[in-house]
Amino acid sequence: QSVLTQPPSVSGAPGQRVTISCTGSSSNIGAPSDVHWYQQLPGIAPKLLIYGNSNRPSGVPDRFSGSKSGTSASLAITGLQAEDEADYYCQSYDISLSTVFGTGTKVTVL
Amino acid sequence: QLQLQESGPRLVKPSETLSLTCTASGGSISSSSYYWGWIRQPPGKGLEYIGSIYYSGSTYYNLSLKSRVTISVDTSKNQFSLKVNSVTAADTAVYYCARRSAYDYYMDVWGEGTTVTVSS
Repeated sequence: QSVLTQPPSVSGAPGQRVTISCTGSSSNIGAPSDVHWYQQLPGIAPKLLIYGNSNRPSGVPDRFSGSKSGTSASLAITGLQAEDEADYYCQSYDISLSTVFGTGTKVTVL
Repeated sequence: QLQLQESGPRLVKPSETLSLTCTASGGSISSSSYYWGWIRQPPGKGLEYIGSIYYSGSTYYNLSLKSRVTISVDTSKNQFSLKVNSVTAADTAVYYCARRSAYDYYMDVWGEGTTVTVSS
């Protein structure tokens, strides 16, 4: 049972902007601990998408952006593309539990 | 470029010990900048952090699994390993090894994962 809550699913048409929320508490995101985001395509290992709340690793398109405020964080995808259809997970550090992942969000491109 | 590869038995009997090894190539696990971790994903479910280890042997564990899990490192072989004792069907999952930043907690390099089934 994860301590980071995400919506089970979000959807959007190609070209649209979608956001995924990640809600935690004062013992993790609000501690404050950094939030990181991963993209998992079907049957593939997760890929780091955003680290340190808002930083993109080399090679990640700037369509992906992250932000954090208080005990929550968000991942935004602008100019949604068919290849963005995947599961997305947030991750942070909980002072009581160690590393924790979010519940995961499935993004569907309509 | 660093690559990680999991190896070990794909089928484990209930109550026995699950053992996996992760071999790193293209980089050294003796780097002071990284920890080396294990994450699992039960079928159709989300990611669960298991634990991580520094090249010196210092470890972090998921408290919910800590009593059954041991992570070790062999720098001479550029490998780190996972053992989960007293497994049940609930331990059936894809197991991933990954490189974790020593300064923050994100995993930037992942193995492809290996499916382990617990069944008699």
